[in-house]
Amino acid sequence: GAGVSQSPSNKVTEKGKDVELRCDPISGHTALYWYRQSLGQGLEFLIYFQGNSAPDKSGLPSDRFSAERTGGSVSTLTIQRTQQEDSAVYLCASSLDPTSEKTQYFGPGTRLLVL
Amino acid sequence: GENVEQHPSTLSVQEGDSAVIKCTYSDSASNYFPWYKQELGKRPQLIIDIRSNVGEKKDQRIAVTLNKTAKHFSLHITETQPEDSAVYFCAASKWTGKLIFGQGTTLQVKP
Repeated sequence: GAGVSQSPSNKVTEKGKDVELRCDPISGHTALYWYRQSLGQGLEFLIYFQGNSAPDKSGLPSDRFSAERTGGSVSTLTIQRTQQEDSAVYLCASSLDPTSEKTQYFGPGTRLLVL
Repeated sequence: GENVEQHPSTLSVQEGDSAVIKCTYSDSASNYFPWYKQELGKRPQLIIDIRSNVGEKKDQRIAVTLNKTAKHFSLHITETQPEDSAVYFCAASKWTGKLIFGQGTTLQVKP
């Protein structure tokens, strides 16, 4: 079946503009996660969704970052008033059920460059 | 807070040799420990994982060991091949599945 997909694959924006990143998880996966990977760095947790609820938003770096999930499926990560330090690869992952089947499958990522 | 330390940051081995990567986690409530392989420009791919009720797991040339008391877990790759060259990440999670990642190990296997 189809894996996790993300769009756009690349995004170049100017400092101060807003951007929206989209994630389509594997069908039927109830849990969805956003991570950020800066150049040459590890993966940093941003936010976790169980269904449409976000019980853990502890990784969002500032109030410029927000995310939502609708219909228990697609999720959108929005970054307002982008800054150069927001440049990174934004990865989405989904899992069937975080308490039992924990395997997280990653999407290809969105590479964001803020000029 | 939650933290995962990973060592070494780089590892170079000859083809056919073994490679070992070690991780230490801080949160004793962690119960799931996956390892991901990431090739340049690609998404992370799960290669093996272990749960806290198991001490060791093996899949062909790859094995993972877990020491809950010491809060250590390790990845062992035997008979390394050039295609094993990549960045490897360990991670730990609790019941929510939120992954806390180590900083990664760049493995180079020389032919």
